Amino acid sequence: QQPVQSPQAVILREGEDAVINCSSSKALYSVHWYRQKHGEAPVFLMILLKGGEQKGHEKISASFNEKKQQSSLYLTASQLSYSGTYFCGTSSGNTPLVFGKGTRLSVIA
Amino acid sequence: EPEVTQTPSHQVTQMGQEVILRCVPISNHLYFYWYRQILGQKVEFLVSFYNNEISEKSEIFDDQFSVERPDGSNFTLKIRSTKLEDSAMYFCASKDRGTGNTIYFGEGSWLTVV
Repeated sequence: QQPVQSPQAVILREGEDAVINCSSSKALYSVHWYRQKHGEAPVFLMILLKGGEQKGHEKISASFNEKKQQSSLYLTASQLSYSGTYFCGTSSGNTPLVFGKGTRLSVIA
Repeated sequence: EPEVTQTPSHQVTQMGQEVILRCVPISNHLYFYWYRQILGQKVEFLVSFYNNEISEKSEIFDDQFSVERPDGSNFTLKIRSTKLEDSAMYFCASKDRGTGNTIYFGEGSWLTVV
């Protein structure tokens, strides 16, 4: 069952922050975040494995609330290069990743 | 950095023709996947492959589709009789052993059925 992402789309000015949420009705083992630019393959951002885990890479970070079966991706001080569609993929153990419908992020100058 | 490679990058085929999409996963990886993405839509799981057999498949992966690992390095997706609605970007992906490891995607093969 696919995770639900929100919002579906967001427009930011450079320097603004955004939060993208991903929730599942099933118990999760891991949450994977990817960014996809138009016409390109999804690019791995980070994976969260344990409930409560938080990870960050530069100004992009994520949290995983195992109890609530949800994860959030935080984009701080957004840059033009952050534009793209963000997908969360969830797995309940060794099951294949199932992706949400994506959140389209547009960062404008 | 090791990567998943896919060929062809783009293929145009006539409806009813057979298509084979090829993938070379990262060499020490054990789990292999095919996903597809119809233009403007989400990435959809098709099939996973482990230990030389299909481990899981979605309802999209019907009798029209098959996968093979013919020689220990290539991983192929065959679409037997293509339909217009098979037009999509097909992504191959691979993963190392164990749960939670990162899944690496290839650049995709764009299939256009006319």
